[in-house]
This record gives sequence, structure tokens and C-alpha cells, in this order.
Amino acid sequence: DIVVTQSPLTLSVTPGEPASISCRSSYNLLHSNGHNYLDWYLQKPGQSPQLLIFLGSNRASGVPDRISGSGSGTDFTLKISRVEAEDVGVYYCMQALQTPYTFGQGTKLEIK
Amino acid sequence: QVQLQESGPGLVKPSETVSLTCSVSGGSISGFWWSWFRQAPGKGLEWLGHIHYGGTIRYKPSLGSRLAIVLDTPKNQFSLRLTSVTAADTAVYYCTRTLLDGSADYWGQGILVTVSS
Repeated sequence: DIVVTQSPLTLSVTPGEPASISCRSSYNLLHSNGHNYLDWYLQKPGQSPQLLIFLGSNRASGVPDRISGSGSGTDFTLKISRVEAEDVGVYYCMQALQTPYTFGQGTKLEIK
Repeated sequence: QVQLQESGPGLVKPSETVSLTCSVSGGSISGFWWSWFRQAPGKGLEWLGHIHYGGTIRYKPSLGSRLAIVLDTPKNQFSLRLTSVTAADTAVYYCTRTLLDGSADYWGQGILVTVSS
């Protein structure tokens, strides 16, 4: 199975400040079609996960543009340019290149 | 707006079989992958498997032959069947619509399944 590793595991951020989460894969997620099969999800407290970013850098419908995904191959980053209270929750990256799809451990974002 | 709703028993005895159903509304089951994930209490997310409208199925190998996912197109539903359950199968089970790129864009609210005698 592809191993996906996130860091940090917890993040405490002041509102209005930026935040960044790293996701590393044990296998190159860049497909020959040019797409990176790496998604980002946010699970807000008490809710189901929601898709934020697909194919490494594409925002899902309704996701604000202060949230962005970047990276290629084995190293990826989720950035929030200005953290807001609604961003609280656990962020997961997931590789969708090959089954079984696998997730990072999750990064808990808290507001200072 | 596509909506998914899981249904099934909340409590199952060890060694028994749990069957969950995901009802899809607001859109057709055709043309997409349909997936099951789970999340053990206080733990991260785990992909279990998915099925395509065309019939292709993929399962998490570590679950072996215990897992089956079935599509019921006329009812716009799909289901999960997990046999020989143990306490390790206690989790919130989520059903999702999955796009061709593997991303899960719609999620159900989740259903807690507890395995206990």
C-alpha cells in the first residue's frame, strides 16, 4: 500500500494568519496523464469529511480561494492564506492513484 | 443537490454480518463510482472499497473476502456487507459518490456501527 504521511499533526493558528500542511507519499502520485492523484479533505467537528482539493491543486465547488493545494510527485502542500474560525477541524490528504486508497494521519487545526 | 443517506443496524454481535445501505437522491447512480469509508472512534479515515456503475469493484485487500459492495440501480442504492465482524470493525461508516479521479465529492452523514455482544 502507498503510505501517506502528514505534518504537522496539530496546528494552532491565530485568525487572519496563514497555515500550511504537508503531505508526503511513499510513491509518485503523478500519473502519465499529467495529473497528481492527491486529494485534501476537511472534517469539521461532528461532521462528515468534505472535499477541498482534488487532483492536487483543484478546488472543489464552494471552497474559498484562500485555500489552495500545490505540489507534485511525492510532496504536496495545503495552504490557507488567512485562517478563519470556520477552518477548524481535521485535514486529511488521500492518495487516489491506486487502490487501496490511503490517507494521511490527519492534521488538527485549532484557533488560538 | 446529491444527497446520500446510510441506513442499517447500529449494533452487531461479534462473528455476525453487518449490512448497510446507502440511498442516493438528487442524482442518478449511473456514471459514477460509489464508495464506502469508515472511521474508528477517535481515529482517521479508512477507504474500504468502491463499485462502478459499469460493474467494476475494488476492495481493500486486508479485508479479504469479508467485504462485498453491491449496486442496486433501480433503487438508486448501493450496499455494504461485512462478514465475521469483530470489535475492530466498530466505526462510523460513510458512503460517498466518487468521481473518476478518485475524489469523493458527496458524503453521507455516516452511521455508527458498534460490534459488541
